[in-house]
Amino acid sequence: ETGVTQTPRHLVMGMTNKKSLKCEQHLGHNAMYWYKQSAKKPLELMFVYSLEERVENNSVPSRFSPECPNSSHLFLHLHTLQPEDSALYLCASSPGLADYNEQFFGPGTRLTVL
Amino acid sequence: GQNIDQPTEMTATEGAIVQINCTYQTSGFNGLFWYQQHAGEAPTFLSYNVLDGLEEKGRFSSFLSRSKGYSYLLLKELQMKDSASYLCAVRDGDYKLSFGAGTTVTVRA
Repeated sequence: ETGVTQTPRHLVMGMTNKKSLKCEQHLGHNAMYWYKQSAKKPLELMFVYSLEERVENNSVPSRFSPECPNSSHLFLHLHTLQPEDSALYLCASSPGLADYNEQFFGPGTRLTVL
Repeated sequence: GQNIDQPTEMTATEGAIVQINCTYQTSGFNGLFWYQQHAGEAPTFLSYNVLDGLEEKGRFSSFLSRSKGYSYLLLKELQMKDSASYLCAVRDGDYKLSFGAGTTVTVRA
């Protein structure tokens, strides 16, 4: 158990649906991250929040909308997705943004867009 | 852009040693991480190198040469549970991690 939980673990949605992914960290960390992991490809950083402020929006399409209501919770709101958005979406947290801080990952949400 | 290369797959026998190489070309360097990821699970932290040299942690060791843009992860006394994907990641700025595509290690009996 890494202290970072994600729900749901699996999600199948149509291109016209709206859904949300949830991440919660129980580690008292101040920074949270969303990554996309596609098969055989490197993890891609999507968004970074520090103390509930977004510090990175890595050229992600607007059909992905993050929300960080407090330092323990992070959401990724999804709408009008495309089949190529099917991937494993990983949430991570770290004590802060400092260089030496390792990131603790959640188990991910396996998303399939039909 | 950032370029981080590692082999796609490696196979080794239980009890053996395997070395996973990682080469990187990044715009900056503030440390290199290795993560282990079992299928369907979260990546978990293995090691962090920011200075040249070898860091040893039990059966796992990680080496860094900043001048060569090179690191390796050494897994000794391989066990079946070591079958997983191993991710090399470079911190190239304040907080961004750039990942390699991962090396899938299969341990055979």
